[in-house]
Order: sequence, then C-alpha cells, then structure tokens
Amino acid sequence: SAVISQKPSRDICQRGTSLTIQCQVDSQVTMMFWYRQQPGQSLTLIATANQGSEATYESGFVIDKFPISRPNLTFSTLTVSNMSPEDSSIYLCSVGPDSHSYEQYFGPGTRLTVT
Amino acid sequence: AQTVTQSQPEMSVQEAETVTLSCTYDTSESDYYLFWYKQPPSRQMILVIRQEAYKQQNATENRFSVNFQKAAKSFSLKISDSQLGDAAMYFCALRSYGQNFVFGPGTRLSVLP
Repeated sequence: SAVISQKPSRDICQRGTSLTIQCQVDSQVTMMFWYRQQPGQSLTLIATANQGSEATYESGFVIDKFPISRPNLTFSTLTVSNMSPEDSSIYLCSVGPDSHSYEQYFGPGTRLTVT
Repeated sequence: AQTVTQSQPEMSVQEAETVTLSCTYDTSESDYYLFWYKQPPSRQMILVIRQEAYKQQNATENRFSVNFQKAAKSFSLKISDSQLGDAAMYFCALRSYGQNFVFGPGTRLSVLP
C-alpha cells in the first residue's frame, strides 16, 4: 500500500485567508483524491486530481474556492481560499485505486480550524 | 445513484467479545467492491477488509470477517475478540467499476474494558 504524508497536520487560520495543504506519496499514482470530513461526519469528495489534466470537482465544490495542483505523479496540493468558519474540517488526501488494486489509501489528514 | 447506509451510529462491545456492524448498499452495477475502513481517534483511515462482489466466499482478515449477502445488498463486519485498539469510527464503502467511492455515515465503536 502507498504511504501518504500531508502537511500541515493542523492549522488555525483567520477568516479571509488561504491555506495550501500538501500531499506527498511514496510511489507514483495515477489518481489522487481530496476529501473533506466535517466533525463527526463521513467523507465528502471534493475533487479528483489526475496528473496532466484539470481536476474534476464534485457538485458543490468549485475551483475558485478549492484550487488543486497536480504537478507530478507523487504530489498534489489543495488550497482552501478565502476561508470562513464553515471551512473548519479535516481535509484528507487519498490515492488509488489503480490497475493493481481496488482500494483507496488515505493520508493522515489536515485539521483546519478557521476563526 | 449509489448509496451506502449504516444504521448504527454508535455501538459498544465488551473487551474480548464479538460485535457486528451493519451496512447496506445500493448499486445497479454488477461489478463492484465493498470495503470497511477504520478511523481511530488519531484520524488516519485504515483499510480493514475488502470484498469483491463476484466472490461468494466471505472475506476474512484475522479477527475481522464479513457477511456478504449480495441479494440482500448487505455487508456486515464482524469483529471477534474485541480489543481496546478496535475503538474507532468504522466506515462501509462501495466502489463500482469506473466510479468514485461512496462512503456510509459511519459507526462509532466503543470497546469497554
């Protein structure tokens, strides 16, 4: 299974500012995903990021608010822009499935608090 | 649309006992996979077990096993000999071929010493 790291692990930010979350994988992967998990809730997919193409956003999420970069097969960033307290959540990076497996693997998450 | 339902928001089990977490799902696809993920308080999601829909045999991983009832679209997780480290949120997930994962709302499991 892939080993995934995220930076930062947590942050407290002021409303109106932006935060960029980094996701690093120890192997090359085709598909990377960004999820939001609000307190006590399940996971909601924000977008799918494939290298070399624009990210695909799910309903309710827009590029201006959550710009994503995928410069290579081991790295991606998610920016949470113009933050409000409603953006306080855990943001999770995930990889897979690919031709070798069907499951997804998750990073440790970034806990964001917006004041 | 695909859906995953977990009807038990919270469960508790005595240490060393057995507990079963329920999951039902809905998909019109014939090629799909089912998963149970565990999220301890430290929040890293960990894959517990997976089941391919085309396999009739229930998957087993050490103390974890599933009861896969395809016709009923049911996929329960049994944890035997429960340990304190099993305390976590458990998410049932469905992935149909060519589609994104769909996660259930989760079941919070407490293990009582």
